[in-house]
Amino acid sequence: AQKITQTQPGMFVQEKEAVTLDCTYDTSDPSYGLFWYKQPSSGEMIFLIYQGSYDQQNATEGRYSLNFQKARKSANLVISASQLGDSAMYFCAMSRDVTGANSKLTFGKGITLSVRP
Amino acid sequence: GAGVSQSPRYKVAKRGQDVALRCDPISGHVSLFWYQQALGQGPEFLTYFQNEAQLDKSGLPSDRFFAERPEGSVSTLKIQRTQQEDSAVYLCASSSRGGSLGKNIQYFGAGTRLSVL
Repeated sequence: AQKITQTQPGMFVQEKEAVTLDCTYDTSDPSYGLFWYKQPSSGEMIFLIYQGSYDQQNATEGRYSLNFQKARKSANLVISASQLGDSAMYFCAMSRDVTGANSKLTFGKGITLSVRP
Repeated sequence: GAGVSQSPRYKVAKRGQDVALRCDPISGHVSLFWYQQALGQGPEFLTYFQNEAQLDKSGLPSDRFFAERPEGSVSTLKIQRTQQEDSAVYLCASSSRGGSLGKNIQYFGAGTRLSVL
């Protein structure tokens, strides 16, 4: 079974600063996908970034980067230059297939990020 | 629209009533997933379709929950004889099997918030 652990109860960051949201995972699958989603108060889950277990380089998408440390089973999200609109719940998730297209996602409990002006 | 559409956005039901929640996936997406998100928690998998075939229903909590996708496009999640513990946000996601690796991710709708009184 796959498991995602997000232990930070809530995070605060000053606008324009960088913030790291922690995620550790556990799986016995040889290949898997790792994902971060953002859920603002409106409720929609917005895809942010993806990392395949075979990828050698850390994924980056604009202001988002994923710090993938396979040996430590961690997949932390780094948001650079925080904006007020980044205030939301952030979920780390993983899938049993590398892309996540054809297998369920297992989510963590989420982290609340609040950006201060 | 270009995204996953869910209706209704909000549903209030009296305990014992049947409800039907609709999901319109992104056009052409083969895979469709339903998740249940309790307040303050991460989404939990309910069921998965590939085209019209329901390939995994291991997450459905009881036989009161039923999902269908008869023509491989729109899907309906039906809950019979609703109970208070069914109160949650029900999220639908779709994904494509084609395209480049890393792009076949699950895209989510805004969800249906179900309140059972």
